[in-house]
Amino acid sequence: KQEVTQIPAALSVPEGENLVLNCSFTDSAIYNLQWFRQDPGKGLTSLLLIQSSQREQTSGRLNASLDKSSGRSTLYIAASQPGDSATYLCAVNEGYGGSQGNLIFGKGTKLSVKP
Amino acid sequence: ETGVTQTPRHLVMGMTNKKSLKCEQHLGHNAMYWYKQSAKKPLELMFVYNFKEQTENNSVPSRFSPECPNSSHLFLHLHTLQPEDSALYLCASSQTGGWNTGELFFGEGSRLTVL
Repeated sequence: KQEVTQIPAALSVPEGENLVLNCSFTDSAIYNLQWFRQDPGKGLTSLLLIQSSQREQTSGRLNASLDKSSGRSTLYIAASQPGDSATYLCAVNEGYGGSQGNLIFGKGTKLSVKP
Repeated sequence: ETGVTQTPRHLVMGMTNKKSLKCEQHLGHNAMYWYKQSAKKPLELMFVYNFKEQTENNSVPSRFSPECPNSSHLFLHLHTLQPEDSALYLCASSQTGGWNTGELFFGEGSRLTVL
């Protein structure tokens, strides 16, 4: 059974720092991995999608990497800002053996960026 | 309107009530999903519809009844719920269904409280 773990559960940093959020998954047979952002009481905003054949994706100050064989992904945020404060969720798209279209989510990393 | 829209945003109901959650996507996607987000638990897939046909029911109790009249609209009919069903219910859509769905786009969610 696929399990997704995100470490740390919470992170507090001063503004301007570069930071890394970690995501690990137990079964490397995935189609893709997606990073989301969730603000309190709100829905999920898609940040980056990495297909299983890709190693990384970049969008602005965000860079996500994928090492499928070791079951790991990292989300790198450069020059963090207070507006980056949110919960960041990692999800993998299960391969055969799971449910079609089922994203398996981690519990998230709650990020707080202090001015 | 753009993206994925959910109504109502907040709902309080008694255990004997019948209510419905509505989701509409304006992205021209063919697959729609219901996810449940409970406190301190990862998001869980409930139902998947691909081209209006239900392709997944993730062992959801029958007191939750989905309906997908077309590829743009998705409903979740609620009846005889339990207090433990209180959660944030999130609707999502993707361009395609099946195993490799690509990027999922989520709505803002409907916060349900069952008294």
